[in-house]
Amino acid sequence: GAVVSQHPSWVICKSGTSVKIECRSLDFQATTMFWYRQFPKQSLMLMATSNEGSKATYEQGVEKDKFLINHASLTLSTLTVTSAHPEDSSFYICSASARGLGIQYFGAGTRLSVL
Amino acid sequence: DQQVKQNSPSLSVQEGRISILNCDYTNSMFDYFLWYKKYPAEGPTFLISISSIKDKNEDGRFTVFLNKSAKHLSLHIVPSQPGDSAVYFCASSGGGADGLTFGKGTHLIIQP
Repeated sequence: GAVVSQHPSWVICKSGTSVKIECRSLDFQATTMFWYRQFPKQSLMLMATSNEGSKATYEQGVEKDKFLINHASLTLSTLTVTSAHPEDSSFYICSASARGLGIQYFGAGTRLSVL
Repeated sequence: DQQVKQNSPSLSVQEGRISILNCDYTNSMFDYFLWYKKYPAEGPTFLISISSIKDKNEDGRFTVFLNKSAKHLSLHIVPSQPGDSAVYFCASSGGGADGLTFGKGTHLIIQP
């Protein structure tokens, strides 16, 4: 299957700082990338959908000013958690899909711990 | 309100037997269904999918069945192997560039 790389895999930061997470599709062009969040023992919840070159579409209840998403190229999307607080601590996972295909390929995820 | 439900948090199956994982959905607009396998602290790995125009899709040891009238799908793994032990997520979408709606997952344990 297609390869999606996510970096970093684990980050610990102080409250009030910003953290950037990168998601790259390594062997295909991802017209659409998605960002999910998973809390312990919960399912993956869609946060936002981003299409290359356009603004991201956020799900209800997700603050767009707090979770900044940039999808500048067909192989790279970034999620920046701004002014992180302990309640933002979670497992963030990106996925990517190619044009017209419903299958999403996932990165390995990023464990964010905000102290 | 959960639109995708996996009612069994865990399932234990003997090696070599068939594993059957179930999933129910409520949204009639869903027309594409996927199963993912996930290990702790890793992203989900795509296993198999099915569109609403089909009622069965098979890939090696994995078969997905879709019953649209019952809004129910199932994943069959046969024969089950120790490496199949993981959490399995059912996911649904409206297809194309839609985000996925996931169930809460079923932890499959294959016993030797």
